[in-house]
Amino acid sequence: GEDVEQSLFLSVREGDSSVINCTYTDSSSTYLYWYKQEPGAGLQLLTYIFSNMDMKQDQRLTVLLNKKDKHLSLRIADTQTGDSAIYFCALRPGGSYIPTFGRGTSLIVHP
Amino acid sequence: GAGVSQSPSNKVTEKGKDVELRCDPISGHTALYWYRQRLGQGLEFLIYFQGNSAPDKSGLPSDRFSAERTGESVSTLTIQRTQQEDSAVYLCASSSRTSGTDTQYFGPGTRLTVL
Repeated sequence: GEDVEQSLFLSVREGDSSVINCTYTDSSSTYLYWYKQEPGAGLQLLTYIFSNMDMKQDQRLTVLLNKKDKHLSLRIADTQTGDSAIYFCALRPGGSYIPTFGRGTSLIVHP
Repeated sequence: GAGVSQSPSNKVTEKGKDVELRCDPISGHTALYWYRQRLGQGLEFLIYFQGNSAPDKSGLPSDRFSAERTGESVSTLTIQRTQQEDSAVYLCASSSRTSGTDTQYFGPGTRLTVL
C-alpha cells in the first residue's frame, strides 16, 4: 500500500515562509491534498492538486508536485501565528475513495 | 449550514466496557468515513460507507470494532470490550461525491480514553 512520509515538526518566525514536505511511494496517486488541523478540531481541507499538475497557487499557499521524485510540498507565504497547526498531506489513487494520510507536520510559528 | 458533528466530544471508559460513538454527516452527503488518530500519528482508515452499497470494512482493526449507518444519515461506531490501545481520537468525515476531488469534511472528533 501507499506509504506517506512527513517530517514531524517545523518551526518558523512570523512573516517568514514555511515549507512543509511530503514524500510518497505510490505513483498512481491521482489526487493529492493538504489538510490543516487546529488543536481540538477536525481536519480542514486547505488545497489539493491533481497529479497532472506541477504547481497550484491559492493566495498565500503554493503547492508543488514533483512526480519524478514523488515529492509534494506546501509553501505558506508570510506565515502568521494563526497558521500554527498540524498539516497533513493525503494521497488518493484515482480508482479508490480512501486516501492515505501522512503523520502530520506540526508547524510552530513564533514572533 | 451545519457541518459534520460528532458525539460525545470526550469519552472516558473502563477497560472491558463497550462504547458507542456517533457521527452526523452533512445533509445530502452520501459518503461517510471513520478514522482513528492515535497521539502523534496520522489518520488510520477504519470504515467507509457509500450510499446503499456494502461498506468497506477493510480498515477495522479487530472484530471488536463495528459500525452502522442508517441510510445516508447518522452513523455509529461501536467498540466492544475496549482495551487501552483503543484510546485515540475517532474522526468522522463525509463527502458529497459530486466532484472528482471528493472533498472530505471532518467532524471535530471524539476523544476516547480507556482506563
